[in-house]
Parts: sequence; C-alpha cells; structure tokens
Amino acid sequence: DTAVSQTPKYLVTQMGNDKSIKCEQNLGHDTMYWYKQDSKKFLKIMFSYNNKELIINETVPNRFSPKSPDKAHLNLHINSLELGDSAVYFCASSQVGGMNTEAFFGQGTRLTVV
Amino acid sequence: GENVEQHPSTLSVQEGDSAVIKCTYSDSASNYFPWYKQELGKRPQLIIDIRSNVGEKKDQRIAVTLNKTAKHFSLHITETQPEDSAVYFCAASPYSSASKIIFGSGTRLSIRP
Repeated sequence: DTAVSQTPKYLVTQMGNDKSIKCEQNLGHDTMYWYKQDSKKFLKIMFSYNNKELIINETVPNRFSPKSPDKAHLNLHINSLELGDSAVYFCASSQVGGMNTEAFFGQGTRLTVV
Repeated sequence: GENVEQHPSTLSVQEGDSAVIKCTYSDSASNYFPWYKQELGKRPQLIIDIRSNVGEKKDQRIAVTLNKTAKHFSLHITETQPEDSAVYFCAASPYSSASKIIFGSGTRLSIRP
C-alpha cells in the first residue's frame, strides 16, 4: 500500500498552460506539504496544510494555488506555467499534533515546462 | 523563520571510511531534527532523527549528535558502503500545532570503491 501517492509522475507542458498535480495520503496524518526540488537538489517548502487549513505559504507566486478538499488530499494547481517552474515537486505528510514526527514523501512529479 | 545550513555540499570518501555531515539551525524553538537520504531519482526517506531532549542517537552505522547550545547537529556514517552513496538532507522543525520542516541544502555523498 502506497503511503503518499502523487500523480502524475511526469508532466511536460508548454509555457502559459495550466496544470494540476494531485496528492493523497492514507496514513491518517493531519499535516500535508508541497516541496519544490530544483536542479541543485534543494528542497524548498512551498505550502503546509493542517487539517485542510493553509498554515504556511512560503512566498510562492500566486500562480500556485493549493487545494485541500479533505485532510487526506492536497492538490497543487499551477496557472500560466513558466520555464522556471520546471522542477520536481514532492508532496509529503506528517502527524504533528503536539510532537513532530517523520514526514513521508510521495514519489515526486517531474514538471518540465518547454 | 527557521534557516538550516548544511556542509559540505559534496563529500567523497573511501569505502570503509567514515563520513560526517554538519548542520546548523537558527530557530531556538526547533525541537525535532530528522535526516533524510535521497537516492538518485527517488523520494527522500528518513534514516534517523533526534529530538531536542537527546544529545546523541545511534542506529547501527549511523549516528546523530545534537548541540542545542550551539544550535548544530551532525550525521556520522561509519564503515561506509557503496549503497550509502546518495544525497543527504538535514532538517529542523519547530514545536507547534502545525509544523513546517525546513531542509538544509543537501550533501551529495559519494563512496569510492
């Protein structure tokens, strides 16, 4: 059973398009995240949601809009894609509630904007 | 907010030797310090973690140390093996009801045969 799954695994699209990445976790965690990993491998937090509520938005352009329909899902929609958006996007989840614990990552979505 | 610095960015060691990766953090409220290993083309996975009430933790060939006063923590890998080659990330997370995990910039570890 996959703990954190995200789709698609690969996404190639043209500049200016709008695309979405979906993420689901079956671990019962209350917190979900989106991270961006650029070509230099740096893992940068983009958003953090706790029980469907946005907690952290780390100066991400408003072309990026996360949506959490329930605490098991956190989707990422990107409008007007730019070349600089090319990266691997990782979804992750963890259980916070008083004691921080391990974050589990999805397999990543490699986004290529051409 | 929290800032995590990690050194070195690349590290090459002879198989069987030890490897040490060091990190510093800025937020004194951070109380959880995980280390992740990311193999080529794969997702980051937790290999060991330490909490602020502990100074050292060991799991077979891997150990972490934490100095809260100096705000730094380190990963030690002994008797390195080819399968240890990967990118390693340290991270820090402050205690709160809704957390964020801030990662260091990563260390690419290569094990020479």
